[in-house]
Amino acid sequence: NAGVTQTPKFQVLKTGQSMTLQCAQDMNHNSMYWYRQDPGMGLRLIYYSASEGTTDKGEVPNGYNVSRLNKREFSLRLESAAPSQTSVYFCASSESGTSGSKQFFGPGTRLTVL
Amino acid sequence: ILNVEQSPQSLHVQEGDSTNFTCSFPSSNFYALHWYRWETAKSPEALFVMTLNGDEKKKGRISATLNTKEGYSYLYIKGSQPEDSATYLCASPRLGSARQLTFGSGTQLTVLP
Repeated sequence: NAGVTQTPKFQVLKTGQSMTLQCAQDMNHNSMYWYRQDPGMGLRLIYYSASEGTTDKGEVPNGYNVSRLNKREFSLRLESAAPSQTSVYFCASSESGTSGSKQFFGPGTRLTVL
Repeated sequence: ILNVEQSPQSLHVQEGDSTNFTCSFPSSNFYALHWYRWETAKSPEALFVMTLNGDEKKKGRISATLNTKEGYSYLYIKGSQPEDSATYLCASPRLGSARQLTFGSGTQLTVLP
């Protein structure tokens, strides 16, 4: 099992450009998450999908959109990138959307917006 | 406590020492407390998920305790080894949203050989 995979690993964008970060899991998990990680701060939840067909905002959703394409895949889109979105992005999945379900993380995407 | 807070921010210990660090979280409407281990250049990996007051979990030389009434959890490492060097994160659901985890900033542990 590959677990949680993310593409790309690295990306450099110019301000105003758009891009989509891809995430897939092969553990048949119901819930998937997108986090961002910035120096000196903990992981912050951007969006999550408790189950296929549903998505909800997290702590820092502004500037992002998500799509739960199917049970395996959850993508994060930046419509018009800004320097404040320079960060490392992690996708995660869990068996259920309840708080007692441990999360499995992907390797991360390092995004720089110039 | 309104957020998840961890202390200390960083810690250096000698190989063989035992160590512990703290996670504080909002004690009202408690659902669960997670501990993750995050090695440099890797992704966070779950250690424990604890849900009951008084819970104790153990995995090898690492153990954790939980006090939901006062809102804290301790992570202990017995006989630290260089391979234990990592950032240890704790997380608990946000107030008002049981599904959304709030992560602390982590304790960065360095074990010196």
